[in-house]
Amino acid sequence: QVQLVQSGAEVKKPGASVKVSCKASGYTFTSYGISWVRQAPGQGLEWMGWISVYNANTNYAQNLQGRVTMTTDTSTRTAYMELRSLRSDDTAVYYCARGPGSYASFDYWGPGTLVTVSS
Amino acid sequence: QSALTQPPSASGSPGQSVTISCTGTSSDVGAYNYVSWYQHHPGKAPKLMIYEVSTRPSGVPDRFSGSKSGNTASLTVSGLQAEDEADYYCSSYGGSNNFVFGTGTKVTVL
Repeated sequence: QVQLVQSGAEVKKPGASVKVSCKASGYTFTSYGISWVRQAPGQGLEWMGWISVYNANTNYAQNLQGRVTMTTDTSTRTAYMELRSLRSDDTAVYYCARGPGSYASFDYWGPGTLVTVSS
Repeated sequence: QSALTQPPSASGSPGQSVTISCTGTSSDVGAYNYVSWYQHHPGKAPKLMIYEVSTRPSGVPDRFSGSKSGNTASLTVSGLQAEDEADYYCSSYGGSNNFVFGTGTKVTVL
């Protein structure tokens, strides 16, 4: 069965960077993209961007351009999301999700990783 | 890209129906038949309920249905059950490999 397992919670200071991992299993890793979505406390879901595992092409949300980098390691079937110059409003649960596929949707999700930015 | 607009809340008694709207623009919802819906129970991973406007993934009950007219998509939950109480989010493709989520709707089963 498809599973996405994410790394554990992080606490960072403003200005620091965080790198969240997402290890996939149960499907052909290179056949699907991996997207990242975050949810700040009390807020809705926010699409951050996605990476094609097949060719490593990326597309980032405009408001995160220059601060976010998404990568994959096909040898370990792991996707990574790095966010730099952290601010307090980056405090959120960060989800990885499989997709968008041919149907432009996100069909399997990881359990989420809480990133807290606090001085 | 601005978030799609959803009502903050919706409610219904068990067995009744509830419909949630998702309003975008002619650049996202109105331009593509790539609207999807997600059920999110707090503390859990979101779950895909509908894709391509009206298609249910395997395992999703047929009580869930989707539609679209112009720049507005809708999710209807018929025969409400207690376990349907959750937050629901729409999402749309916005062109140029970009996506956008809705503001979210909290569904309460009375």
